[in-house]
Amino acid sequence: ETGVTQSPTHLIKTRGQQVTLRCSSQSGHNTVSWYQQALGQGPQFIFQYYREEENGRGNFPPRFSGLQFPNYSSELNVNALELDDSALYLCASSLDLAGQYNEQFFGPGTRLTVL
Amino acid sequence: AQKITQTQPGMFVQEKEAVTLDCTYDTSDPSYGLFWYKQPSSGEMIFLIYQGSYDQQNATEGRYSLNFQKARKSANLVISASQLGDSAMYFCAMREGVTGNQFYFGTGTSLTVIP
Repeated sequence: ETGVTQSPTHLIKTRGQQVTLRCSSQSGHNTVSWYQQALGQGPQFIFQYYREEENGRGNFPPRFSGLQFPNYSSELNVNALELDDSALYLCASSLDLAGQYNEQFFGPGTRLTVL
Repeated sequence: AQKITQTQPGMFVQEKEAVTLDCTYDTSDPSYGLFWYKQPSSGEMIFLIYQGSYDQQNATEGRYSLNFQKARKSANLVISASQLGDSAMYFCAMREGVTGNQFYFGTGTSLTVIP
C-alpha cells in the first residue's frame, strides 16, 4: 500500500509567478484535502476534492485553485504568488466522507518559498 | 472564536516520564471527532489517536491516551514513558459533524524529551 506522496519537495518562486503542487493520494482513497501551514502555525484548510469536485473551501482567495483527476491524484495551483504564500503545503487523503470517523493521512508536504 | 486552542507553546519532559499536552475545543455541533497528530521536523503529520464525541471511553493507542472531558470541552493527550523520539510538534485537530470536510488545527505544542 502506497502512502500519500507530494511533489516537489521544495520550491522557490518569485512574487507574481504561478505554481503547481502535486499530490498522489493513498491507495483506495477518493478524497484529497489541501492545507497551508505557515511557519510556527497549525495547518489551515484550503479546500477539499471528492470525486473530482471541490467539496468545501476555507478562507483562501480564488487565486488558490485545484483539480482532482480520475485516479484521485490532485493539484494545487496558486496564481500571482505573494510573499505570504511562503509555507509548507500539506496534502491529505481519506477514504470517503461518510461516518464520523474520517482519518486523514498526510503527505510529507511541499515547502514553498516566495521571494 | 478559535475552534481549537493549545495553550502550551513548548513543553519539556524527562525521558521515561509521562507528559500531558492540553487541548480545548469549541463547537456547537453535537457530533464531532478529535484527533492528535505528531509533526517531526521532517514536516509529515503522523496520526496518533482519535476520539469521537459519542465515545463513552477515553481513547488509547499504545503509549498515547486521550483524556476526554466533554463538559469542559477538553481533549488532552497523555504520552506515557516518554522517549527521545517523541520530541516533535503535536497538533490537536477537530472535524465537525458527520460529514464535515475540514480539520481545524490548533497552533501546536513543541515537546522536547530530555535524556
